[in-house]
Formats: sequence, C-alpha cells, structure tokens
Amino acid sequence: GAVVSQHPSRVICKSGTSVKIECRSLDFQATTMFWYRQFPKQSLMLMATSNEGSKATYEQGVEKDKFLINHASLTLSTLTVTSAHPEDSSFYICSAIHSSTDTQYFGPGTRLTVL
Amino acid sequence: ILNVEQSPQSLHVQEGDSTNFTCSFPSSNFYALHWYRWETAKSPEALFVMTLNGDEKKKGRISATLNTKEGYSYLYIKGSQPEDSATYLCALIFNAGGTSYGKLTFGQGTILTVHP
Repeated sequence: GAVVSQHPSRVICKSGTSVKIECRSLDFQATTMFWYRQFPKQSLMLMATSNEGSKATYEQGVEKDKFLINHASLTLSTLTVTSAHPEDSSFYICSAIHSSTDTQYFGPGTRLTVL
Repeated sequence: ILNVEQSPQSLHVQEGDSTNFTCSFPSSNFYALHWYRWETAKSPEALFVMTLNGDEKKKGRISATLNTKEGYSYLYIKGSQPEDSATYLCALIFNAGGTSYGKLTFGQGTILTVHP
C-alpha cells in the first residue's frame, strides 16, 4: 500500500526557535497534501491544504506567517513552525492524496514539545 | 462549525465479543464519510470510504453502514481480537462548493481495547 512518512517523529525545542517537519509520499505522487494538528483530548483539526507548486491555503484561525508550508515537489511538503511557543506544542500529522486514486494516506505524525 | 461526534469515547470488550460504535454528523452538505483505524505510533489506516445513503461495506470482521438522511454511520467489529485494539476515527468531507476537496473533519475517535 501507499506510504507516507514524516520526519522527525518527535522534537523538543526551546521557545522562540523554528522547527521544520517533513511529509513525504514514498511511493506515489501527491499534488495535494494536508496538515492537521491534534491537541490533547481533541480531534484532529485541519490546519492547511498544501498544493504542489502553489501557495498553501489555511483554515480559519491558523496563522500563515507562523506555520509556513512549502510543497516544492510532488512527494514532499514541509511545515515550519516559526518562533515556536509552548502553546504550539501539539501532535502534527500530514496526509497526502494519491494523484491516481484520490485515496488519502496519512503519515505517523510528529510530536512537538516547545519548552 | 460542522461537528462530527463519535460515541462512545472508549470501549473495553473481551476477546470474542462483537462491538459497534457510532459516528454522527450534520446531514446537510454531506459528501463522503471515511473510517480510519489508528494504532499508537502508526499512521491512521483507511478502512472504508462511504458516499451513498444506505451503503454497507465490509472488510473481514469489520463492517460499516451509512445513513446520510439522519446523519449517522455505524462501525461493527465481529468477534473482536486483541489486535483490533486501536482508536477508530470517523471523518467527513462536506460539500463546500468546490473548496472542500479532500478536507476531512474528524470526530474525536473511539478508543477500543480488546482484552484477551
């Protein structure tokens, strides 16, 4: 089956630093990828839609200057959390839509802890 | 805000028991419903994609039904096994006039624990 990887799986950083999370579709091309986050005891919430070769579209309430998304190739999208603060600590997970089948596959997620 | 509700929040059953849980959603603007199985430290795994009212899908011991008119879906597991222990997520795609491609609205999930 199709595989989506995320790196790193876990990251701890100091307040004020920036953190980059990578999402890769390993064996298929994905024009569209999504970034979600999950706070404790809450649902996965969509943050933004990442489209290859164009600007990401952000959901209401998600700051585009804080969560920078780059989708430079059909197999890679990156999410950079800029000037991270403790309230950004969360579980970030990406998904990718298989361009041929329209099926959505998820990565295993990244646990971000900001001290 | 389009709410997707799952119940129960958690469930403990004995090996061999059959179980079911519910996903409720607003019936207006329905486009598709996805069920995912999510084991700790792994990627959510797609179980079913359902689009039509009255749909019934089956994969091994797991099956699902869909009622779009009243806004609910049931997931059934027959003869639960310890390896079925996971969080089961329901996610909806709502029709938002062409801007909703692939956008999933998730419920909180049902955590299933199957005891040997």
